[in-house]
Formats: sequence, C-alpha cells, structure tokens
Amino acid sequence: AQKITQTQPGMFVQEKEAVTLDCTYDTSDQSYGLFWYKQPSSGEMIFLIYQGSYDEQNATEGRYSLNFQKARKSANLVISASQLGDSAMYFCAMREGLAAGNKLTFGGGTRVLVKP
Amino acid sequence: NAGVTQTPKFQVLKTGQSMTLQCAQDMNHEYMSWYRQDPGMGLRLIHYSVGAGITDQGEVPNGYNVSRSTTEDFPLRLLSAAPSQTSVYFCASSPPGVNEQYFGPGTRLTVT
Repeated sequence: AQKITQTQPGMFVQEKEAVTLDCTYDTSDQSYGLFWYKQPSSGEMIFLIYQGSYDEQNATEGRYSLNFQKARKSANLVISASQLGDSAMYFCAMREGLAAGNKLTFGGGTRVLVKP
Repeated sequence: NAGVTQTPKFQVLKTGQSMTLQCAQDMNHEYMSWYRQDPGMGLRLIHYSVGAGITDQGEVPNGYNVSRSTTEDFPLRLLSAAPSQTSVYFCASSPPGVNEQYFGPGTRLTVT
C-alpha cells in the first residue's frame, strides 16, 4: 500500500480564493510527522508546514494551514487567499518514528495553477 | 552560509560510466539525505545519514553508494550508470529535532 496518497493530480484555483490539497497517509507508528513542500517550476523544494502526530492543534504558517484528521489519516493543506506565485507542485510527505533522521516518504504531488 | 550545495547542476553520462554527485552543507547539520525525483513524481529516498560515519539505505538504494567521512559532505556515487537512473537528484540536510529539511538545488542527470 502507498504510504502517502495525493489523489488530485492537478487543480485550478481562482486568485484570492482558498484551495485544499488532499493527502492521506498510512502508518502503524504512533509517532510520525507530516510535511508539505512546494516545488515551483524552478525546481527547488520549499518547506511549508509540519504537523506532528501528537500535536493537538492544527499547524498554521501564514496563509498555510494543515487540516489534520488523525482518525481518518488525512493531512490536507489549505492555502488561503491564493496568489499567482502559489502556482507550483505541492508534495505531502511523512516521517515515521522519532529517530528517523531525514527519512521522508513523499506522495506523488498535486499541481496547482492559480488563475488571475 | 551557502546552505546546501550540489555539484554539478547538470550531467550527461553514457551507460556504464560511473560518477560522484557532490553534496556539501556548511550548517553543521548531522542529518543528510539523498533523494531522486523522476519526471512527474515525488521524491524517493536513496540513502541517508544521521552523522559522520553512519549511513543507511532508503527506499531505492540499488546502484548507488554513499559514505560520510565528514559532517559537511555526503557524496553519492553511481557505480555503473543506467538509463533508469535518469532523474533529478536532491540532497537535503537538517539538525536533529528540527522538522524542516534544507534542500539543495538539485542535480539533473541524464544517462544515455
């Protein structure tokens, strides 16, 4: 089974609207972390937000928030007030265990295109 | 700080050739990793290290070797290049206890 599943290969969103990117994960570990990265067309990987499995509150970073539903094993990214610069690929990733170093498992990504 | 640097930026190899992709970081990070990204896909972990002298395999280690003799450097060796290794290779680093990984700019490798 895939450990990280992103079911939306691509999405259009109108500028200034909010968009939700879906991510479901599969793990038997109690301790894990979930990440979202942005990859613009230039290719670099940009860290957006992190949620730990024991964090009770949903993580927020500026216009990014993570809708963490542990029982459903989902960690959706919400981007509020979309901007043209948000057009990019977005990847969900998971780190399992406490001492996992830099071992991330990535999903296949969702391409977002923001329309003016 | 230069952050995470990778050389070369681009490389073309013929099948069977060997080469080393360089990765260096000047942030004194203990954790370093190598990922590959095939077209239209997410990143997959090749090898990782939690400190100098300690390395381990990731999801797709076959055809690659690593060593970590210093904290700063984590080279990735392709032993005998194959067309299936055509990909973009990313190196990343982080200190323990920090959730953000710092990625290098990537090396685009084509094997013909």
